[in-house]
Amino acid sequence: DQQVKQNSPSLSVQEGRISILNCDYTNSMFDYFLWYKKYPAEGPTFLISISSIKDKNEDGRFTVFLNKSAKHLSLHIVPSQPGDSAVYFCAASAIRSSGGSNYKLTFGKGTLLTVNP
Amino acid sequence: DVKVTQSSRYLVKRTGEKVFLECVQDMDHENMFWYRQDPGLGLRLIYFSYDVKMKEKGDIPEGYSVSREKKERFSLILESASTNQTSMYLCASSTTREGETQYFGPGTRLLVL
Repeated sequence: DQQVKQNSPSLSVQEGRISILNCDYTNSMFDYFLWYKKYPAEGPTFLISISSIKDKNEDGRFTVFLNKSAKHLSLHIVPSQPGDSAVYFCAASAIRSSGGSNYKLTFGKGTLLTVNP
Repeated sequence: DVKVTQSSRYLVKRTGEKVFLECVQDMDHENMFWYRQDPGLGLRLIYFSYDVKMKEKGDIPEGYSVSREKKERFSLILESASTNQTSMYLCASSTTREGETQYFGPGTRLLVL
């Protein structure tokens, strides 16, 4: 059962335009969400995160939006650059029932973003 | 800057061999993780450790074991390598102080013939 879903395996956008990557989740216990970027033959690098107490977090060209009622989050990249071409993973974490984070992340399958010059 | 290093970038082994993958982090992180990444399947958690000598199974632990004798080092062991263990293996670490953000190593691409 896939708890974190990235339904678009790939996305292609023009340089300078907005890239929107989507992620849906099913586990209502998830309370912290992260986006990672991965280039081929490298490990994923942390990009941006958001806690469930917020609905938006911004860092430079990257903004993450969280809609808890829809169990949906999205990553916006504005403006998109060719160097942004990579696989983007959405990840989520749930609080243990006894309190505190369980430190485990559940990842989506990733979306390959291609930004064309 | 957090640094997570993995012992090999590329590895070729034969079916039935015992394989050791090593991961070292230099930021005194409590938690360490081993994942594998396969096309179309994303990152899947094999094992993780939240303290020295402590380990917990992830989603796909079968065919693997781990060892954490020192805080900075987390080893993944393939007891008897099989061709379906050909994959990209990624190590990560995190600190409880910083919450859930995990920092990844560069990965080891393992080919089992």
